[in-house]
Amino acid sequence: AQRVTQPEKLLSVFKGAPVELKCNYSYSGSPELFWYVQYSRQRLQLLLRHISRESIKGFTADLNKGETSFHLKKPFAQEEDSAMYYCAISGGYNKLIFGAGTRLAVHP
Amino acid sequence: DVKVTQSSRYLVKRTGEKVFLECVQDMDHENMFWYRQDPGLGLRLIYFSYDVKMKEKGDIPEGYSVSREKKERFSLILESASTNQTSMYLCASQDRNSGNTIYFGEGSWLTVV
Repeated sequence: AQRVTQPEKLLSVFKGAPVELKCNYSYSGSPELFWYVQYSRQRLQLLLRHISRESIKGFTADLNKGETSFHLKKPFAQEEDSAMYYCAISGGYNKLIFGAGTRLAVHP
Repeated sequence: DVKVTQSSRYLVKRTGEKVFLECVQDMDHENMFWYRQDPGLGLRLIYFSYDVKMKEKGDIPEGYSVSREKKERFSLILESASTNQTSMYLCASQDRNSGNTIYFGEGSWLTVV
């Protein structure tokens, strides 16, 4: 069965500290993975997708097929990074299956 | 700019009432989705539609139905609302020919009392 696991409900760091939001998945086949972000009082929006191999707002994520992981990383957290982050995998009919989400709190 | 609009942002309904949640997109997208968002559970897919008059059950369809009479509109229906359906409901749309990016509406907060 397709599943996305985000083991941390809350990640609390200080400004300038490195951040790693964990995501593990189970999927039979070649997955397409995404990170979505929801800032306070804003709609859920795409942060990045693994096939793009891009860095958005300083965040990167590498797909590790051996470990079935797609962790989101940023070397120096900013207060404006505080938000809810969801990892997602693309299933059949292009539908997305989401993890439970991790709330990132960056303190001054 | 992509626009997914959920007309009702906040609703309070009584147990047993029939509830309609409306969603409209203006991007001519084929695929549309309804998710519910709950703390600790993330987003769970209720129903999705890949064409007009077509619908597929998601992971938690019980207690819900949907309607897609026009390409731009996808409605979620709670036939008889119950308190365990109190949640944030998110509508989304997707152009299946340009990758899998999904665009979300702002959400509808439903409270069933």
